[in-house]
Amino acid sequence: AQSVTQLGSHVSVSEGALVLLRCNYSSSVPPYLFWYVQYPNQGLQLLLKYTSAATLVKGINGFEAEFKKSETSFHLTKPSAHMSDAAEYFCAVSDYGNKLVFGAGTILRVKS
Amino acid sequence: EAQVTQNPRYLITVTGKKLTVTCSQNMNHEYMSWYRQDPGLGLRQIYYSMNVEVTDKGDVPEGYKVSRKEKRNFPLILESPSPNQTSLYFCASSMDRGVSSPLHFGNGTRLTVT
Repeated sequence: AQSVTQLGSHVSVSEGALVLLRCNYSSSVPPYLFWYVQYPNQGLQLLLKYTSAATLVKGINGFEAEFKKSETSFHLTKPSAHMSDAAEYFCAVSDYGNKLVFGAGTILRVKS
Repeated sequence: EAQVTQNPRYLITVTGKKLTVTCSQNMNHEYMSWYRQDPGLGLRQIYYSMNVEVTDKGDVPEGYKVSRKEKRNFPLILESPSPNQTSLYFCASSMDRGVSSPLHFGNGTRLTVT
């Protein structure tokens, strides 16, 4: 069965600094991988999706993620953090079935 | 506007009093699902439905029921709520029967059971 581990339940960065949110997965087959973002009092929104077309995936709001099969990782990055990026971020994996498994989430804090 | 609508947004109830949380989507999506979100645990799937009259258990189905009589609606029913069902609940839908398509989420229902 697939699983997702997000390293760090809280990450704090300064405005303008690099954002790096870590995600490692386990799956018996090449997976679909997703990053979702949740702003306060809202549902989750899709940031980006990996479906084997390209290892570097660009998403909305300047975020991107790189699929590394050898490391079973799908880390999320953004070169320069903005105050509006403060939110909770979820990594999720699916192995072609009907099930999507979410990580525990990482709360991103952006300091001015 | 394409959306998933959940009601109510907030609900406080007492142990054992039956309740229903409604979910409706206007995107003609095949797939619908319910999740609960608890701190440190992420989102866990309760039930999902791949089409009308087709529902299946997720990871944490105990104490919940669902139905899919119409494509757009997927209500979550708690027949006898207990305090351990206090949580934030999300309904979601997607175009495909699998999960290759992104999920569209409602804004959540915060349930407190005393």
